[in-house]
Amino acid sequence: DAKTTQPPSMDCAEGRAANLPCNHSTISGNEYVYWYRQIHSQGPQYIIHGLKNNETNEMASLIITEDRKSSTLILPHATLRDTAVYYCIVAYGQNFVFGPGTRLSVLP
Amino acid sequence: ETGVTQTPRHLVMGMTNKKSLKCEQHLGHNAMYWYKQSAKKPLELMFVYNFKEQTENNSVPSRFSPECPNSSHLFLHLHTLQPEDSALYLCASSQDGRGGLVTQYFGPGTRLLVL
Repeated sequence: DAKTTQPPSMDCAEGRAANLPCNHSTISGNEYVYWYRQIHSQGPQYIIHGLKNNETNEMASLIITEDRKSSTLILPHATLRDTAVYYCIVAYGQNFVFGPGTRLSVLP
Repeated sequence: ETGVTQTPRHLVMGMTNKKSLKCEQHLGHNAMYWYKQSAKKPLELMFVYNFKEQTENNSVPSRFSPECPNSSHLFLHLHTLQPEDSALYLCASSQDGRGGLVTQYFGPGTRLLVL
């Protein structure tokens, strides 16, 4: 079973920030938090990862709480092309366990 | 993205056929993976290879037979499949799993329909 819990779906207005939450209350001290997205039956696309600190790249920002029991992926200015299923994964090493993810719909 | 390619992209086969799925990575990685994604289900890890050696088999039926001839190529040989094996089969690659940080990069997948 996945070690993460995400809301099944969310809507976001185009141009606004999309904040996708993820709970991982049983995360171990050495496990990383990864975010991927999957656009309509394509392969999952890597977005970002973090361990303890907040991270930012050209795609998104990742905010991890101090106790590491939850995190939020932020897409600062969502576009229609960001409509996808977003997966939060907690893992140390290669054994990724995917949950059902959050289906984000960006609305015009 | 062209880092991980998969062929064919679509495949229809009968239950008595034998077919193979191919994956190639151009990222210089030394670990490769097969995942299965059935309709309305999360991705399931099937096999893991590190430096051409299989290190993980998640109780996959023997009608699925992986082969990794080198670190850049991965095959999934299929024989006597069942209709419930119809799914999207995804290949991924990464640096090896010796460290804790293992970012996996996925191919576009092969959509398989078993009739």
